[in-house]
Amino acid sequence: EVQLMESGGGLVQPGGSLRLSCAASGFTFGSYWMHWVRQAPGKGLVWVSHINNDGSGTTYADSVKGRFTISRDNAENTLYLQMSSLRNDDTAMYYCVRDNYGVHHWGQGTLVTVSS
Amino acid sequence: DIVMTQTPLSSPVTPGQPASISCRSSQSLVQTDGNTYLSWLQQRPGQPPRLLIYKISNRFSGVPDRFSGSGAGTDFTLKISRVEAEDVGVYYCVQTTHFPWTFGQGTKVEIK
Repeated sequence: EVQLMESGGGLVQPGGSLRLSCAASGFTFGSYWMHWVRQAPGKGLVWVSHINNDGSGTTYADSVKGRFTISRDNAENTLYLQMSSLRNDDTAMYYCVRDNYGVHHWGQGTLVTVSS
Repeated sequence: DIVMTQTPLSSPVTPGQPASISCRSSQSLVQTDGNTYLSWLQQRPGQPPRLLIYKISNRFSGVPDRFSGSGAGTDFTLKISRVEAEDVGVYYCVQTTHFPWTFGQGTKVEIK
């Protein structure tokens, strides 16, 4: 069974940093592209970033470019999102998503709150 | 970026009655491989999104057959043949043909 378990969320001050993790199990992690999608409280879904299966290719939403870095460790079956220069509007539930040609599996999410 | 427009944004439905949600994209979602990567997600209250339909009309594993998807090009529809209480939630269309992925605004399905 595909499982994605996010962690690392919490309360951080504006300008601070946080690293999210997504532990994958139940499938060959290194064979799939992975994504981060976020959802501000009471709002819709917004794509944040993607990484290809071997980590050689990444893309970012304009709103996080230069501040967030996606990476992965295929030996540890883990996806990461390093977030820096955090702003109030980065407050959201962050989901990791496995993509297989349109078939997505979603994790449970980890909540990031940016507030002073 | 491709804009995904859903209608209606709210849909009160009587149990046992059908419901339909429309999703329109600002550009064609046909990929160079010939596939159209348009999916429908369900998000129940307090839960993460869950895949219902992928590539326009394919039901994901475990999804009841009262859910169906249709459409082509830029116009797509999700239908629930007979709404049940457990179908309450917000439904999103999402295109994954082009980067960045973009989502519809969400349609809230509630029981009358």
